[in-house]
Formats: sequence, structure tokens, C-alpha cells
Amino acid sequence: EPEVTQTPSHQVTQMGQEVILRCVPISNHLYFYWYRQILGQKVEFLVSFYNNEISEKSEIFDDQFSVERPDGSNFTLKIRSTKLEDSAMYFCASSEEGPSRRSPLHFGNGTRLTVT
Amino acid sequence: AQTVTQSQPEMSVQEAETVTLSCTYDTSESDYYLFWYKQPPSRQMILVIRQEAYKQQNATENRFSVNFQKAAKSFSLKISDSQLGDAAMYFCAYIRRGTNQFYFGTGTSLTVIP
Repeated sequence: EPEVTQTPSHQVTQMGQEVILRCVPISNHLYFYWYRQILGQKVEFLVSFYNNEISEKSEIFDDQFSVERPDGSNFTLKIRSTKLEDSAMYFCASSEEGPSRRSPLHFGNGTRLTVT
Repeated sequence: AQTVTQSQPEMSVQEAETVTLSCTYDTSESDYYLFWYKQPPSRQMILVIRQEAYKQQNATENRFSVNFQKAAKSFSLKISDSQLGDAAMYFCAYIRRGTNQFYFGTGTSLTVIP
């Protein structure tokens, strides 16, 4: 069964550094998402992406975050200047259609980001 | 604002027994979808079951079923014949039709006792 893949599985970075988290969504999916989960807390929506542009974003997704689909397969999340509080598990997800059409999210295994 | 509440941070069940996980949500919308996701120790998020708000019939997927009470805004998950592999964190999630943003509850950690 096709799956969403994320790399790396664990990333350690120093405060103030830029990080890029990478995701390869399922190939026939058109909607892409990033979520994060701070340890012990709930999963929080960051951003959704469709047709090469952001369709929705949350308050968490401020100017230090950006997303890009640089080619036909990858979907990346960039954090420009990491802060300690950015330490979390970041999940990429994709869906075949928009969630309004009842297609569920397929999540990747996550990238654990540790900011020191 | 939409909120999803899971009032049970932890639950435990004896293997082969039945357990029910609670979820309530707050919305003024009438057209939405509800989901249960499972997060095992591997941290992957796995879809367990989904429910369309316009359907009165409760969704079922093998040993998993829901009790959807739209008026009460309640969406509980029942796991029958619990297995050791069911041990995980379970998240209830809501999405309003026409949007792309899921709202998740804080999760319920389920322990299955052999």
C-alpha cells in the first residue's frame, strides 16, 4: 500500500539554525499538510497546500515557516530560525481529495525535531 | 472556534474485553466529519474510523465502532475484543466540510492488559 514518507526521522539542530523537513506524499494525492505534536500534547495543524499554494494555515504557521513543493514529488517544511519551542514531532500528511470529499489523511511517520 | 475534547487521558482494558473512548466536540456547523486516529509507540498516525455528520448510522470497521450522537456532539469509539496491538494513543478529530483544517483532541492513552 502506498505511504507518505518523511525524512529524516530525527533532526537535531541548534537554536537559530534553519531546518528543512522533507516529505514525499502519496503519488496521486493532491492535498498536502503539515502538523506538529509537541511531546505529550495534541496534534496541531500547521498548514495545508493545494495547487502549489497554501490553502489554509494556523496561527502557529508564522513568518518563520514556509512550505514548498519543489518538484513533482517532494513537499517540504522550512523553519528559518529555529527556537527551542519548535522542538516537536512534525507530521506530513496527504489526501487524494480535499477532506470535504471524505478522503482521509494519510500520515507519514513523522520527523522528530530537537532544537538545542 | 471548533474544539475537540477527550476527557480520558488514560484508559486500560483487559485483553479480549471491550472499551469505550469518549470524545466530545463543539461546533456550530451542521456538516462535518469525525475521525478516530491511532498513534502507536512508533508515532505514526493511523486512521481507525470515520463518520460523516449527515449519516445517522454509526460507522463500524471490524472490531471498531462509534456511537455518534449529533445532538449531544458526542463521538465515542468502542473497541471490542481488545488485542495487545490496540495499545496506543487514540485521537479524536473533527473537520468542517469545505475546509482543510483538522482539529484534534488531546488524546487517550490506551493500555491493553494481557
